[in-house]
Amino acid sequence: ELKVEQNPLFLSMQEGKNYTIYCNYSTTSDRLYWYRQDPGKSLESLFVLLSNGAVKQEGRLMASLDTKARLSTLHITAAVHDLSATYFCAVEDPYDKVIFGPGTSLSVIP
Amino acid sequence: SAVISQKPSRDICQRGTSLTIQCQVDSQVTMMFWYRQQPGQSLTLIATANQGSEATYESGFVIDKFPISRPNLTFSTLTVSNMSPEDSSIYLCSVGDDRAPYGYTFGSGTRLTVV
Repeated sequence: ELKVEQNPLFLSMQEGKNYTIYCNYSTTSDRLYWYRQDPGKSLESLFVLLSNGAVKQEGRLMASLDTKARLSTLHITAAVHDLSATYFCAVEDPYDKVIFGPGTSLSVIP
Repeated sequence: SAVISQKPSRDICQRGTSLTIQCQVDSQVTMMFWYRQQPGQSLTLIATANQGSEATYESGFVIDKFPISRPNLTFSTLTVSNMSPEDSSIYLCSVGDDRAPYGYTFGSGTRLTVV
């Protein structure tokens, strides 16, 4: 059974700083997703990573995937308050089911 | 990417009653998924709904409690039956969208409170 872990679960960071969120998963997969969720809202898709070594960037966020290590990272550069949200990684299993990690609650403080 | 209309957006229901949640997609999709998000928690997959076949339920979820219909390729319903306060959650539907660069799309969610 596929399991997805994230760390940290809670992250408070100052504006302007850099940080990385880690996502580990337990079984082979080559499809990984990052989502953002604001309080009371649905999920917003950020990145789809489809192959080993994939790297995608959008604004201050960059995501990467290492399928051999079963690890994805979401790197935040020069954080701003607008990035405060919960970030989920999700991994697709061989049966096309998407399993979510526990989420990382990010607060960016002045 | 696909656009999903999910209704109702929220409801407050009495214990022991049932609520049916609807998801309408603006394009035909093979697979639809139903998730539950308990307060402050992550998303848990309830079931996968394919048109023309019975839904496939995940461990811990049963058809009697969460019956699902999938009458065509653009529509699905999830019913939460015989509700108790423990069913208070956000319920979301999702579709995979090969046209989109961003994978799966989610409905806006149904916030259910059982009193």
